[in-house]
Amino acid sequence: DARVTQTPRHKVTEMGQEVTMRCQPILGHNTVFWYRQTMMQGLELLAYFRNRAPLDDSGMPKDRFSAEMPDATLATLKIQPSEPRDSAVYFCASGLPGFPETQYFGPGTRLLVL
Amino acid sequence: RKEVEQDPGPFNVPEGATVAFNCTYSNSASQSFFWYRQDCRKEPKLLMSVYSSGNEDGRFTAQLNRASQYISLLIRDSKLSDSATYLCVVNPGGYNKLIFGAGTRLAVHP
Repeated sequence: DARVTQTPRHKVTEMGQEVTMRCQPILGHNTVFWYRQTMMQGLELLAYFRNRAPLDDSGMPKDRFSAEMPDATLATLKIQPSEPRDSAVYFCASGLPGFPETQYFGPGTRLLVL
Repeated sequence: RKEVEQDPGPFNVPEGATVAFNCTYSNSASQSFFWYRQDCRKEPKLLMSVYSSGNEDGRFTAQLNRASQYISLLIRDSKLSDSATYLCVVNPGGYNKLIFGAGTRLAVHP
């Protein structure tokens, strides 16, 4: 049963620290998405990759957030420095281009910045 | 105005009830539409796609009205296991980008 995996599942850190979240997309999926979910804003798209290239990161705060795909099996989302308002659940999803219904979500990383 | 709007609920219904959720979207050029389900502290999962002709999957029926930019989900014979948040989702086109509504909470009680 193919799944998107994310690590860590939970992260508690102090304001100002760097946070790195990792995602392994489903094998064969060449589109990867990063979302953030909060009670106030709901699910927001942060970044989108296709064939490892970032095509849309308009939803991502550029000053402290960065997203990369070092290879086809790994996507990373970094926050440096972290702030309390970054506390949220960060989801990674992967899918096949042209078929939005194939977008599958990982279990998420719950981030708490103190 | 939000791109996808839903009534947040909660909808509290007894087992066996029929419940309907509605959703409106602002981008008339949107190309595809979905309902996702999200259980507490879990990831969203695709429940069903929504087509102009309407589609049914067991107790679930989804409808799309492009003219009114309106999407609905009907759940018949509600089960306790249907308790979750239901997210209305729109693909505005261009690529696989999905725009999520804030979700409607459903609580089914005995």
